[in-house]
Amino acid sequence: DAGVTQSPTHLIKTRGQQVTLRCSPKSGHDTVSWYQQALGQGPQFIFQYYEEEERQRGNFPDRFSGHQFPNYSSELNVNALLLGDSALYLCASSPDRVGTQYFGPGTRLLVL
Amino acid sequence: SQELEQSPQSLIVQEGKNLTINCTSSKTLYGLYWYKQKYGEGLIFLMMLQKGGEEKSHEKITAKLDEKKQQSSLHITASQPSHAGIYLCGARGGSQGNLIFGKGTKLSVKP
Repeated sequence: DAGVTQSPTHLIKTRGQQVTLRCSPKSGHDTVSWYQQALGQGPQFIFQYYEEEERQRGNFPDRFSGHQFPNYSSELNVNALLLGDSALYLCASSPDRVGTQYFGPGTRLLVL
Repeated sequence: SQELEQSPQSLIVQEGKNLTINCTSSKTLYGLYWYKQKYGEGLIFLMMLQKGGEEKSHEKITAKLDEKKQQSSLHITASQPSHAGIYLCGARGGSQGNLIFGKGTKLSVKP
């Protein structure tokens, strides 16, 4: 049983560019949540997708947007990248909106 | 808003020693999760506690949720190098699905 997968593993972008990160949930899970983890900090909640809609959002600007596909996979898009967007981006899936969240390996984004 | 404070921030122990990590919430906890993270990698789910006084164990790791449901502890017995990593506690943001995390406790185990 494959766990949560994310791609790419690493990414380097320059300020002002746009980036798309991808996540495939664990089998049987229909809810995907995205988190940003800065160095030395705990993960910060970005948003959660369920039934192809954004259901909950954390304190992130609308430069951060997402999408969920019919197969439950999800994308995180970040526009107009800032240096401060450099972080580990984690995707988590759960069997429902309040079930235990299982995390993927993350995508390390570096903005130069 | 709810905040989770973990202590200590970092810990270095000799292999074979016991240790405890604490997680204190600014509000009543409705579900407390413990995760382990290797540096720069994803979070590995360890266990979830929901009821005050609840205690769960997995191999040599035991977690407890206190009666007042505002603090949890993670205890490792006879630590091994494989226990090294960052331990994160997470809690539900009220009735919503998002998790709020502490900053983590970095554990190093010296062989």
